[in-house]
Amino acid sequence: NAGVTQTPKFRILKIGQSMTLQCTQDMNHNYMYWYRQDPGMGLKLIYYSVGAGITDKGEVPNGYNVSRSTTEDFPLRLELAAPSQTSVYFCASSYEGNNEQFFGPGTRLTVL
Amino acid sequence: DAKTTQPNSMESNEEEPVHLPCNHSTISGTDYIHWYRQLPSQGPEYVIHGLTSNVNNRMASLAIAEDRKSSTLILHRATLRDAAVYYCIRIRGNTPLVFGKGTRLSVIA
Repeated sequence: NAGVTQTPKFRILKIGQSMTLQCTQDMNHNYMYWYRQDPGMGLKLIYYSVGAGITDKGEVPNGYNVSRSTTEDFPLRLELAAPSQTSVYFCASSYEGNNEQFFGPGTRLTVL
Repeated sequence: DAKTTQPNSMESNEEEPVHLPCNHSTISGTDYIHWYRQLPSQGPEYVIHGLTSNVNNRMASLAIAEDRKSSTLILHRATLRDAAVYYCIRIRGNTPLVFGKGTRLSVIA
């Protein structure tokens, strides 16, 4: 099993550009999550999904969109990138909500 | 609001046991306590979790106070590879994890 994979590993965007961060898991997990981590801080939840076709907002959803058309994939879309979105983005998955979460390696995004 | 309180940082000598404390005074009867750690430049990884009883696995032990208002993560012999930020998280039902700032553990050779 590859676990949770994320692409790209690094990206630099200009203000106002958009992009999609990809996340895929091969563990047949129901739950998937997107977090962001600013320097020296803990992780903050952006969006999560409890199954295909179902998504919900976390603590910091503004400026982001998600979709969950399959069990395996949970892409995160940034529209109109802003410098405040400079962060490391982690995707995670779990079988159920209170089970162990498995994290991807992260995407380091810089918006200039 | 992570609803747990941890020291900002701790230090340990290599090969010695480490006790990482966590307060969760507002815990309710069905809340689980999970511990994750984050090594430098990596995503968090699961360490251990428990409800009421003490728990052991290959990575660590979790000691939960009888009143459940606090818990302690125990690393039996710290190694340099255990230097990380350790997060204590209270989980209610299927709600997502809420990460606080955690405890930064430094291990001295």
